[in-house]
Amino acid sequence: DQQVKQNSPSLSVQEGRISILNCDYTNSMFDYFLWYKKYPAEGPTFLISISSIKDKNEDGRFTVFLNKSAKHLSLHIVPSQPGDSAVYFCAASASRYGGATNKLIFGTGTLLAVQP
Amino acid sequence: EAGVAQSPRYKIIEKRQSVAFWCNPISGHATLYWYQQILGQGPKLLIQFQNNGVVDDSQLPKDRFSAERLKGVDSTLKIQPAKLEDSAVYLCASSQTSGRLGTQYFGPGTRLLVL
Repeated sequence: DQQVKQNSPSLSVQEGRISILNCDYTNSMFDYFLWYKKYPAEGPTFLISISSIKDKNEDGRFTVFLNKSAKHLSLHIVPSQPGDSAVYFCAASASRYGGATNKLIFGTGTLLAVQP
Repeated sequence: EAGVAQSPRYKIIEKRQSVAFWCNPISGHATLYWYQQILGQGPKLLIQFQNNGVVDDSQLPKDRFSAERLKGVDSTLKIQPAKLEDSAVYLCASSQTSGRLGTQYFGPGTRLLVL
């Protein structure tokens, strides 16, 4: 049962344009969402997060939007740069797991290629 | 600040053999996680430690997988005996706090191939 879904395995964007990566979730108990970025042969790196009490969080070129009614979140990268080329994972957490466990449920990832 | 260290980086074994992975978290991080990432999937949590105690091991196949974190610092994950489906990247992560908002920092992973 895939609770966090990233339906686009890959995305190609021109340098300078906007990249939009999408993520859907099925578990209504999820209330905290994160995006991680992964380069080949490296571990995932935290990028940005959003709590369910917000619908938008911005950090420089990266913005995450959350639509709770649609159980959908998206990551916008503007402007896209060749160095952004990586696999992006969406992850979710539920407070019902308790404060003692920081359990993250990951999606399958989207490979972003930013063309120069 | 040094990141999460893992070794070995690559391991090839035959099925039914045993294998062990080592992780050294970021200094001062009390919480340590082991994830399994099968090709084409996202990381899946196997076990979470808070200091040297287990917080969550609900997805650890305990008939063949074991993990320990002696003295609340380094950790080892062992598979005995290995199966073909254990081929994956094993990621170790650590965080400063155990709460939901503690950012998890990942190591480079150990890529395991079981033949």
